[in-house]
Amino acid sequence: KQEVTQIPAALSVPEGENLVLNCSFTDSAIYNLQWFRQDPGKGLTSLLLIQSSQREQTSGRLNASLDKSSGRSTLYIAASQPGDSATYLCAVNGADGLTFGKGTHLIIQP
Amino acid sequence: EAGVAQSPRYKIIEKRQSVAFWCNPISGHATLYWYQQILGQGPKLLIQFQNNGVVDDSQLPKDRFSAERLKGVDSTLKIQPAKLEDSAVYLCASSSLTSSRGEQYFGPGTRLTVT
Repeated sequence: KQEVTQIPAALSVPEGENLVLNCSFTDSAIYNLQWFRQDPGKGLTSLLLIQSSQREQTSGRLNASLDKSSGRSTLYIAASQPGDSATYLCAVNGADGLTFGKGTHLIIQP
Repeated sequence: EAGVAQSPRYKIIEKRQSVAFWCNPISGHATLYWYQQILGQGPKLLIQFQNNGVVDDSQLPKDRFSAERLKGVDSTLKIQPAKLEDSAVYLCASSSLTSSRGEQYFGPGTRLTVT
């Protein structure tokens, strides 16, 4: 059974810093991996999707990498802004469907 | 295009009562999912439909939860009777059968509080 772990569980940094969120998974037989953003009381917004054959995806200030063989993904956020404050969820799409981590709660201090 | 719609957004009920949630997926999306997200956890899949057939309901507590998608479009998730531990956000998602990326699009969710 797929297990997804996200580290750290919470992170608070000053505005302007670059930061990295980590995601690890136990079963490397995946179709793709998605990073989501969730604001309080809201649904999930898809940020980036990386297919299993890809190494990374970029969207604006966000860059996600995937190392399938080692079961790791990172989400890099450049020049963080207070509006980036949210919970970031990693989800792995495999034989069991979409398996989520518990998320990283991110606070960007103005 | 319009996103995934869910209603109601919030619901408060007492234990042992029943409740129903509604989801309208993105137009043309054949696959529909219901997830349960308990506070502090990631979403957990309850049931997956493809058109009006069930693909996976292995994690659905069938003694109290039921779901249907009669015409292959809208879906309803019901809980009867509710327990305190059912307090959670219930998320609906949809994806296109033709999408090779398998990307899922989520609705805003229904926050259920059972007292």
